[in-house]
Amino acid sequence: SQQGEEDPQALSIQEGENATMNCSYKTSINNLQWYRQNSGRGLVHLILIRSNEREKHSGRLRVTLDTSKKSSSLLITASRAADTASYFCATDAAGANNLFFGTGTRLTVIP
Amino acid sequence: KAGVTQTPRYLIKTRGQQVTLSCSPISGHRSVSWYQQTPGQGLQFLFEYFSETQRNKGNFPGRFSGRQFSNSRSEMNVSTLELGDSALYLCASSSGGLAKNIQYFGAGTRLSVL
Repeated sequence: SQQGEEDPQALSIQEGENATMNCSYKTSINNLQWYRQNSGRGLVHLILIRSNEREKHSGRLRVTLDTSKKSSSLLITASRAADTASYFCATDAAGANNLFFGTGTRLTVIP
Repeated sequence: KAGVTQTPRYLIKTRGQQVTLSCSPISGHRSVSWYQQTPGQGLQFLFEYFSETQRNKGNFPGRFSGRQFSNSRSEMNVSTLELGDSALYLCASSSGGLAKNIQYFGAGTRLSVL
């Protein structure tokens, strides 16, 4: 399967702490995206990183990509209760015509 | 600009019935993809439509079908419902004509099969 896997499956932290979640995938990719999903709702795009980029920032989000290890990480700094959600990586695998989503990390930020 | 709209939000059906879900993409978006989300399997790609044609298909049985209209609105149909079809069905549209582009998701239709 080309589906990515997020690690950990669940993460619980205190407000103000940083949260790091990881994504591993199996095939070569053109780019990798991160999405957030609030409980039972649709996914919201957060950030896209291309295969020739190593790091990207957007506000409190920092994404890294290591194509040699086929892995990516999403760091959320100074977390807030509103960051409580599930986070998914999605890969644009070379040769494929659609995105493949990972299994997700459920983040709980305790006020 | 209005977002992706899915209707209905909730559905309850019984085994053997069929169901039709609707999705209106963001204005100007011609690519519409459908996904099934379950706790056990995660987010699984069903199919993608572009210019009224199914362009990509995931690994789902023929009971799952869809179509797209000239205004890019899309419908998904599931026939002969099974208990395992209970899931959140998500529709997403993308600009640039590629299903691999950034996806804009609707809120989903929660289908419960009893």
